[in-house]
Amino acid sequence: QSALTQPRSVSGSPGQSVTISCTGTSSDVGGYDYVSWYQQHPGKAPKLMIFDVNKRPSGVPDRFSGSKSGNTASLTISGLQAEDEADYFCCSYAGSYTGVFGGGTRLTVL
Amino acid sequence: QVQLVQSGAEVKKPGASVKVSCKTSGYTFINYGISWVRQAPGQGLEWMGWIGDYSGNTNYAQKFQGRVTMTTDTSTSTAYMELRSLRSDDTAVYYCARGWEVVVLDYWGQGTLVTVSS
Repeated sequence: QSALTQPRSVSGSPGQSVTISCTGTSSDVGGYDYVSWYQQHPGKAPKLMIFDVNKRPSGVPDRFSGSKSGNTASLTISGLQAEDEADYFCCSYAGSYTGVFGGGTRLTVL
Repeated sequence: QVQLVQSGAEVKKPGASVKVSCKTSGYTFINYGISWVRQAPGQGLEWMGWIGDYSGNTNYAQKFQGRVTMTTDTSTSTAYMELRSLRSDDTAVYYCARGWEVVVLDYWGQGTLVTVSS
């Protein structure tokens, strides 16, 4: 499978909102409501932030939200905080018990 | 508490094999699957494969078919990932992660750095 397409970088000021897109195909993002988002700080393991397109695990602030339209999923972070600066990766189910990640987006909090 | 503890860093020569272990605790092992994900230096995450709950059935990314084997030992709640015919571009941090639906990975190991160099 080909990696899902994410913007290489996004930025925003504290308190603002940013949205990160994740574009796939009808064989992955568009075909299933199984899209997850992961946050990764340098040198750390990824952390699950959103699953099943728009569900938040316990402990993840409600500033983080997910959505999907067609073959594109999105992660929106509202009320940006300094600690949100990290890399973000989307991941989609791609059928036959396989998955595929996006290339990752570096979020900079200005 | 849920923990996934991986084996230590490895240095291998091209053509060799590596086997990374992932010892889990704090939950019922057979109730969740395990995905393996790798990350080359400075690069993104790459999904390698999944070993499912209960059945232990495996599914691998096409890229690794024939070169990777994922197994579990339910008696020790440990998962293993073996990668063969190593190349320099296999140099990466390899992560195990507990999950469901293949892509919902809620707990991760600390990562194992595998360096392939002659």
